[in-house]
Amino acid sequence: NAGVTQTPKFQVLKTGQSMTLQCAQDMNHNSMYWYRQDPGMGLRLIYYSASEGTTDKGEVPNGYNVSRLNKREFSLRLESAAPSQTSVYFCASSEGRDRSNSPLHFGNGTRLTVT
Amino acid sequence: AQSVTQLDSQVPVFEEAPVELRCNYSSSVSVYLFWYVQYPNQGLQLLLKYLSGSTLVKGINGFEAEFNKSQTSFHLRKPSVHISDTAEYFCAVTAGGSYIPTFGRGTSLIVHP
Repeated sequence: NAGVTQTPKFQVLKTGQSMTLQCAQDMNHNSMYWYRQDPGMGLRLIYYSASEGTTDKGEVPNGYNVSRLNKREFSLRLESAAPSQTSVYFCASSEGRDRSNSPLHFGNGTRLTVT
Repeated sequence: AQSVTQLDSQVPVFEEAPVELRCNYSSSVSVYLFWYVQYPNQGLQLLLKYLSGSTLVKGINGFEAEFNKSQTSFHLRKPSVHISDTAEYFCAVTAGGSYIPTFGRGTSLIVHP
């Protein structure tokens, strides 16, 4: 059971370049999330998807777009990377609104540096 | 809206000593509470959760937490820590029927030999 798989693990971009972070889960979860983690800031929600076909903004959506490709996959796109987007990005999944007491399952993260 | 405060950003402790990591939340409705652990260069994993019932919750690796409704707290404890417990610990809450958790800023537990 792989759980939540994120690719790539590491990435270095130049300012203005674009890239897509991939995430897939094999737990048949309804909801998926993208977070960024910065020192002293904890986890901040970028976007989430309550279910296949829906996406919503979280706390810090500016500069990002997402696609819920199907129930398994939820990608995060940076159209024009900026140094402020240097961070560690985590994808997570959960059973979602049908089980509001269910915990999140996290991937191992993508470490992104924008120069 | 709910919020979570982890009162200590860093907690240094010697091996085999007890430890308490503090977490307070604010919510006017019923809550579900979680502690997650993040080992270096890994994602977060669930340590324990409080959903209902007994206020003392036991988790993995000998950790436990106590839900205190009157003090709106959910402190994490371990009677004797090991070097391998060195990690970042996050408290999280969901409330009011929302399934999206709010996370605290994390507490770095540093266990010295």
